Amino acid sequence: ILNVEQSPQSLHVQEGDSTNFTCSFPSSNFYALHWYRWETAKSPEALFVMTLNGDEKKKGRISATLNTKEGYSYLYIKGSQPEDSATYLCAPNNNDMRFGAGTRLTVKP
Amino acid sequence: EAQVTQNPRYLITVTGKKLTVTCSQNMNHEYMSWYRQDPGLGLRQIYYSMNVEVTDKGDVPEGYKVSRKEKRNFPLILESPSPNQTSLYFCASSGTGNANTGELFFGEGSRLTVL
Repeated sequence: ILNVEQSPQSLHVQEGDSTNFTCSFPSSNFYALHWYRWETAKSPEALFVMTLNGDEKKKGRISATLNTKEGYSYLYIKGSQPEDSATYLCAPNNNDMRFGAGTRLTVKP
Repeated sequence: EAQVTQNPRYLITVTGKKLTVTCSQNMNHEYMSWYRQDPGLGLRQIYYSMNVEVTDKGDVPEGYKVSRKEKRNFPLILESPSPNQTSLYFCASSGTGNANTGELFFGEGSRLTVL
């Protein structure tokens, strides 16, 4: 079983704060690392897919980095907004997709 | 429109009454998977399928069956549902190979209550 850990489990920030959280995974047999954004009462939606060590992806105020050698990825949100409130999931892809438990972000106005 | 469709979206049933949750995708994806979501536990994989007639157990397969007779469909079968299978279920699919990023496309979820 692929052990995926995300931290922190939950996070409360004020609007305008920047924040980041971590996904760690076994570095052996790595193929790709996925980040998903999951809003309450909706389905998860893909944010990033990263495959190469040192990859950095960006979408608006959200960015992610990848270290495949040590088995971790960071997700950063710059200037958090209330609409960023969601659970952020990561999943390493090793022929099947097993998710971490997620980081639940709440951004207070 | 590219989508993953699950049915039913909501179901209340009783212990032991067999039920099937259907999942269909129109994107010609090879990979399909079922997850359940429970408070504090995130998304846990039940079964997945790499292609037609190929299925494998995920982390929590007990009490479930699946089949993959056609590429577009991946039904989840609960032969004898029990209250601990009360959960929110998601079906997802993705393409494989170099032309695809492997990102998962999710259905809207099926909320199942077993009394």
